[in-house]
Amino acid sequence: KAGVTQTPRYLIKTRGQQVTLSCSPISGHRSVSWYQQTPGQGLQFLFEYFSETQRNKGNFPGRFSGRQFSNSRSEMNVSTLELGDSALYLCASSLVSGGDIGELFFGEGSRLTVL
Amino acid sequence: DQQVKQNSPSLSVQEGRISILNCDYTNSMFDYFLWYKKYPAEGPTFLISISSIKDKNEDGRFTVFLNKSAKHLSLHIVPSQPGDSAVYFCAARGYNTDKLIFGTGTRLQVFP
Repeated sequence: KAGVTQTPRYLIKTRGQQVTLSCSPISGHRSVSWYQQTPGQGLQFLFEYFSETQRNKGNFPGRFSGRQFSNSRSEMNVSTLELGDSALYLCASSLVSGGDIGELFFGEGSRLTVL
Repeated sequence: DQQVKQNSPSLSVQEGRISILNCDYTNSMFDYFLWYKKYPAEGPTFLISISSIKDKNEDGRFTVFLNKSAKHLSLHIVPSQPGDSAVYFCAARGYNTDKLIFGTGTRLQVFP
């Protein structure tokens, strides 16, 4: 079956702009979570969604937001981009939040560069 | 506050020998501990996990040990192979959530 699909894979923005990243989970998966990977901070949790409801939010400013649609697809948005937002943004999906630990699958990520 | 720590940024091991990657945590409420393998520009790939009620879990060449009193876990890879060369992340998960707290990673290099 198809894996977690993230679009776009690469994008370049300038400071002050906003960006929207998309994640299509594995078919049948209802839980989606987002992570940011940077060289300095490693992998950090952003959000967790299940059945269109945000269940958890990481320690990020309000410029970072997300949502999940009825078909379980998810988007995250970053407004007023800063240089420090340059990162690999990873999406992960699972059948149910907090379910079988081996059933959480990651996409290949969206590489955002802010100039 | 770094709840999950990997104090060794890199490790170099000869092919065929054992690789031991270490991880420490501070939150005793974590429910599961996981190890992921990651290549650049790719998502992490799940390797092995251990429940907080166990002290050992084995899957082929990979074994994870959990020492709850020391809040320490380790991943053993035996025998190490050149294809194991990657960055390994330790992660922890609380109850009833997909939220993972990751360590900073250890880059493993297995040389012939």
